[in-house]
Amino acid sequence: KNQVEQSPQSLIILEGKNCTLQCNYTVSPFSNLRWYKQDTGRGPVSLTIMTFSENTKSNGRYTATLDADTKQSSLHITASQLSDSASYICVVSAQTSYDKVIFGPGTSLSVIP
Amino acid sequence: DGGITQSPKYLFRKEGQNVTLSCEQNLNHDAMYWYRQDPGQGLRLIYYSQIVNDFQKGDIAEGYSVSREKKESFPLTVTSAQKNPTAFYLCASSINRASTDTQYFGPGTRLTVL
Repeated sequence: KNQVEQSPQSLIILEGKNCTLQCNYTVSPFSNLRWYKQDTGRGPVSLTIMTFSENTKSNGRYTATLDADTKQSSLHITASQLSDSASYICVVSAQTSYDKVIFGPGTSLSVIP
Repeated sequence: DGGITQSPKYLFRKEGQNVTLSCEQNLNHDAMYWYRQDPGQGLRLIYYSQIVNDFQKGDIAEGYSVSREKKESFPLTVTSAQKNPTAFYLCASSINRASTDTQYFGPGTRLTVL
């Protein structure tokens, strides 16, 4: 069964600190993995996308890693800001007869002063 | 202001009523999608459309209907047959259906059944 799991479910960190969010998946055959940021009450916005051959991808203070062998990904946020408070969603696509997209439940991040 | 818009932002419905959620995009995208988001769960696909006058059921289409008469518009009707319609509904669009194409999301509509 194609599944995407994320941990932790929620996280609170102090402004300026770093944090790492985890994503484990069982999606097969793997096509790509994307991280989205969703502000409260808004639609998700894409941060990064990685295909099978890519190990890391950065977008400003956000760095995503992918280990296709262990089927794990992480999103590292450096020097967190209050505006980083949001839900971060891991999305994995399967390359079938049509592209199947599976959304994880998200990690809720709160950055406090 | 280019992008994808949804209206209304908040919607209240009495049991037994049908309601229609609006989704419009000016990105010239061929593919459009409707998702439902519930607390603690990932987004679930309701319907998608790859081209005008064509649409396909997603994972949870029961109790919902859509139309795609124009490229820019993809309205979703929540019918009285949907047993648990209270949720946050997100519309998205992408250049085409390929998963490598970025999906751009609207701001969402929060539907509450009274």
